[in-house]
Amino acid sequence: AQSVTQLDSHVSVSEGTPVLLRCNYSSSYSPSLFWYVQHPNKGLQLLLKYTSAATLVKGINGFEAEFKKSETSFHLTKPSAHMSDAAEYFCVVSDRTFGNEKLTFGTGTRLTIIP
Amino acid sequence: DAMVIQNPRYQVTQFGKPVTLSCSQTLNHNVMYWYQQKSSQAPKLLFHYYDKDFNNEADTPDNFQSRRPNTSFCFLDIRSPGLGDAAMYLCATSTGQGADTQYFGPGTRLTVL
Repeated sequence: AQSVTQLDSHVSVSEGTPVLLRCNYSSSYSPSLFWYVQHPNKGLQLLLKYTSAATLVKGINGFEAEFKKSETSFHLTKPSAHMSDAAEYFCVVSDRTFGNEKLTFGTGTRLTIIP
Repeated sequence: DAMVIQNPRYQVTQFGKPVTLSCSQTLNHNVMYWYQQKSSQAPKLLFHYYDKDFNNEADTPDNFQSRRPNTSFCFLDIRSPGLGDAAMYLCATSTGQGADTQYFGPGTRLTVL
């Protein structure tokens, strides 16, 4: 069985300061891990994904995440927050034992940017 | 651009009146998914199609049905909507191959009066 824990339901940072959204996962197999972003009343947009290649994954809009197997973590970071980053962020693990990808979502972290 | 399209973006229906939500894709993906997302919650998978093979989640109510007449289109039918079915409905697609990414549409916001 697989699971995802997003350690913070709400994160607030000032514009121009670093962003850290924390995610821990549990998976019986070598996982695929994703971060999706959702702006209000919009669908989910893929930020980045890890699929057992480089452990440091770079995504869109300056975001990156580091896969740490020893810590079972996949935290999302950005050096400098922008107002447009305000959104809901979901950490997601994929069970590749299925013939098609079945996703397990974390409960989400709402990121607020303070002007 | 290749994409996942959902129509309508906003749908209002009455309690008990059947409603159909539409999803189409230009990605030519094998797999199409329907998710329900209630306010401040993560998306919840209702069912998915791998080509024509339908896979229902165990806890999806019978009130929810789906059709996939061809590769490009997939429909979500809610036979008798209740107030608890008000939610955002998200369609997603994937190729169905390993280490795959799901691509999401913009969603349909369903209101039940």
